[in-house]
Amino acid sequence: ETGVTQTPRHLVMGMTNKKSLKCEQHLGHNAMYWYKQSAKKPLELMFVYSLEERVENNSVPSRFSPECPNSSHLFLHLHTLQPEDSALYLCASSQAAVSGNTIYFGEGSWLTVV
Amino acid sequence: KQEVTQIPAALSVPEGENLVLNCSFTDSAIYNLQWFRQDPGKGLTSLLLIQSSQREQTSGRLNASLDKSSGRSTLYIAASQPGDSATYLCAVLNTGFQKLVFGTGTRLLVSP
Repeated sequence: ETGVTQTPRHLVMGMTNKKSLKCEQHLGHNAMYWYKQSAKKPLELMFVYSLEERVENNSVPSRFSPECPNSSHLFLHLHTLQPEDSALYLCASSQAAVSGNTIYFGEGSWLTVV
Repeated sequence: KQEVTQIPAALSVPEGENLVLNCSFTDSAIYNLQWFRQDPGKGLTSLLLIQSSQREQTSGRLNASLDKSSGRSTLYIAASQPGDSATYLCAVLNTGFQKLVFGTGTRLLVSP
């Protein structure tokens, strides 16, 4: 079992659907992150949560809505997405968001918008 | 704005070779630099983390160096094996919140 678990691993959704990605970390960390990885582009940081408060919103469109109900869980709610939003969405966690601790990634959720 | 570049974009070598992957960054005011490995369709695994005050880190056959003043890091892989085939990503952490800035990676193929 990995320290950071993401579900579902694969998701296909239409542009009018509403779906959610889920992330759970079993490492006792207090910071969690969403990253987006598109083909041939660097990983892009989307959101950072520290102690369940959002501390970074990297100019992400409002059709992506994060939720962090507690320090172990992070969601990414998706609605009215566009085909260009198809990508690998990676969740990560670390001990703290303000220091240089190692960051641990989940295996990602492959999203295809049709 | 911090930008991270990795060269080469792809590399193919026979098993047993020693190889070097390069990473450069534009803003030398970093907190640390990390090297990650990503297997196809998988998440990222942290390989080495070098704090800004350090010059290098070693783990097994891997050695990463950091020259902050010139904005460069290298990942040296000794005696490469087919199992080393993956994409290797370099990321720098600027001061403040843990906002890693990633390069686009080097795709490595080690053939038997």
